[in-house]
This record gives sequence, C-alpha cells and structure tokens, in this order.
Amino acid sequence: DTGVSQNPRHKITKRGQNVTFRCDPISEHNRLYWYRQTLGQGPEFLTYFQNEAQLEKSRLLSDRFSAERPKGSFSTLEIQRTEQGDSAMYLCASRIGTATMDYTFGSGTRLTVV
Amino acid sequence: QKEVEQNSGPLSVPEGAIASLNCTYSDRGSQSFFWYRQYSGKSPELIMFIYSNGDKEDGRFTAQLNKASQYVSLLIRDSQPSDSATYLCAVNDYKLSFGAGTTVTVRA
Repeated sequence: DTGVSQNPRHKITKRGQNVTFRCDPISEHNRLYWYRQTLGQGPEFLTYFQNEAQLEKSRLLSDRFSAERPKGSFSTLEIQRTEQGDSAMYLCASRIGTATMDYTFGSGTRLTVV
Repeated sequence: QKEVEQNSGPLSVPEGAIASLNCTYSDRGSQSFFWYRQYSGKSPELIMFIYSNGDKEDGRFTAQLNKASQYVSLLIRDSQPSDSATYLCAVNDYKLSFGAGTTVTVRA
C-alpha cells in the first residue's frame, strides 16, 4: 500500500465542462475527506465519508459539486459546469475512524479552468 | 469569524535561528491540534500533533499548547534552508480545520 492516490494530478478544462477526480484511500481507512486549496490559503473542508456514507458537506460545496464513495472504497468528486473560481488544488485525505490522529493526504489534483 | 487564525507572514529567519509560528482557534472545546508543513505545489505533511497543555518536542520542532488562551505555537530550532515552506495550523474535531498558513523563508 503506497498511501492515498489521487488522479489525475493535473486537469485543465474549459469553463462549462464537467470534471471528475478520483481518490483511492489507504485500504483500511474508513474515513475519507475532500479539501480544496487555493493559492495563499489553507485547505478548506468540502466533505467527508465514513465508509460509503457521506456524513457532512460544507456550505462551500455548491449544487455543482457532488461526491460519492461507492462500496466505501475509492471516492469521486465531480464538478459540473466548471467556473474559473473552481481553479484550485483538490486534496483527498483518509484516516482510520477517530481513534488515531493519523490523516494521510494524497498528492492532490490541480484543476485549472480556462 | 474564522475558526483558525495564524500570524501573517511571510517570516524570514537566518539559518540556525529559531522560527516562531503562532495560531489561535475559536472553539474552546477543541481537543487536538496539528502542525503541517507544505512545500509549494505539494500536499501537507504532518510535523506533529498536540492535545495536552504544555510543550511537546520532536527533534528540532516544539509545539506548545495553551487551551485557556486558545493558543498553539510551533518553534523550529536551528532553522535550515530546507525548512522554507508554508506551515499550516489545524484544529482536529472529526475533521481538520486549517488556518491560512504562514510562509517561512530560511535565508542562508
């Protein structure tokens, strides 16, 4: 197991197009988190899953954003009708429940909307 | 009100000096606190976490927590050019809530 994997690493898309990102967490980690980070800011929480259940969505997550984690394994984050303001680094992190302090981050997906 | 506030940077220190980073948080019930280092274009890397009042040391890094003052700090001793990065403070509840980060530059 090589950690949390995110694909693609980079994505350039035209405004108005839909994009989907994938996160593969560490296999035994039942909690999975999505964050968005823009230049000069810290990561902002978007949503998280415990197994396949999406337990919380941030107010930042507009109707154009949707996330899934079928079967409690990998997760996808889809952005519909992308806008230039969606340009950011999208980070995925996973952890085992709440018993440990160990969040493991993926390398992120850099989205550029042109 | 922003949940986690960090002292504004950038912070420039000479090689070998101590870099001091500060962070305050708004939720008095918060229990655990993390410091991450993030190099440009990379994902955050955990430096250390702390959940008890007082100091916690790990190599050249010392985290300090004062829950009464809702204050967390990170000291980097003997700063090296490789320590040049953005340092993120985060409060852990069931998720991490991050500050905006402080950029540190260690000049040789």
